[in-house]
Amino acid sequence: AQKVTQAQTEISVVEKEDVTLDCVYETRDTTYYLFWYKQPPSGELVFLIRRNSFDEQNEISGRYSWNFQKSTSSFNFTITASQVVDSAVYFCALSESNYGQNFVFGPGTRLSVLP
Amino acid sequence: DTEVTQTPKHLVMGMTNKKSLKCEQHMGHRAMYWYKQKAKKPPELMFVYSYEKLSINESVPSRFSPECPNSSLLNLHLHALQPEDSALYLCASSQRTGGSGGELFFGEGSRLTVL
Repeated sequence: AQKVTQAQTEISVVEKEDVTLDCVYETRDTTYYLFWYKQPPSGELVFLIRRNSFDEQNEISGRYSWNFQKSTSSFNFTITASQVVDSAVYFCALSESNYGQNFVFGPGTRLSVLP
Repeated sequence: DTEVTQTPKHLVMGMTNKKSLKCEQHMGHRAMYWYKQKAKKPPELMFVYSYEKLSINESVPSRFSPECPNSSLLNLHLHALQPEDSALYLCASSQRTGGSGGELFFGEGSRLTVL
């Protein structure tokens, strides 16, 4: 069965600090997809990244970067030089490739960036 | 601007009322979803429609009744709800179901309060 763990419930940092959000997943499939979503106070879930299980290349997008390591079943997310606007709940999610399988969300990490 | 539109944004209803939540997308996606999210929890899947057919019902009580009139619209009919059904209801769409079907695009949600 699929499972996603985000061990950090809440994190507080001061603006301009770097912060890493951890995500550990479990799946029996060899083909699967990992995602990160941001949920600001407004409520909408905003898609950040999608990664398939065959692509372990790390990715950088502006201040955001992702480290995918199949050996440790982890897909961690780092925000460099954090800003107040980064304050939100961040969800890691997993979807297997089979038809009809749904997304499984982790419990989320609430990030507070203080000015 | 979100490409998945949900109405209403807020809804207050009594336990004997009948109301509906509406969701619309014009991205040509063939999979649509209803999620329920309680405070400080991740979204929980309720229903999945694939090519306008109900493909997943996660044992949701019958007081929630989904409907997919066409590939762009998704409704959630509510009847005889309980106070514990108060939550944020999120609609999402993706190209197809499963992780290979792409990421989920979420609407801003309908915040439901049952008195």
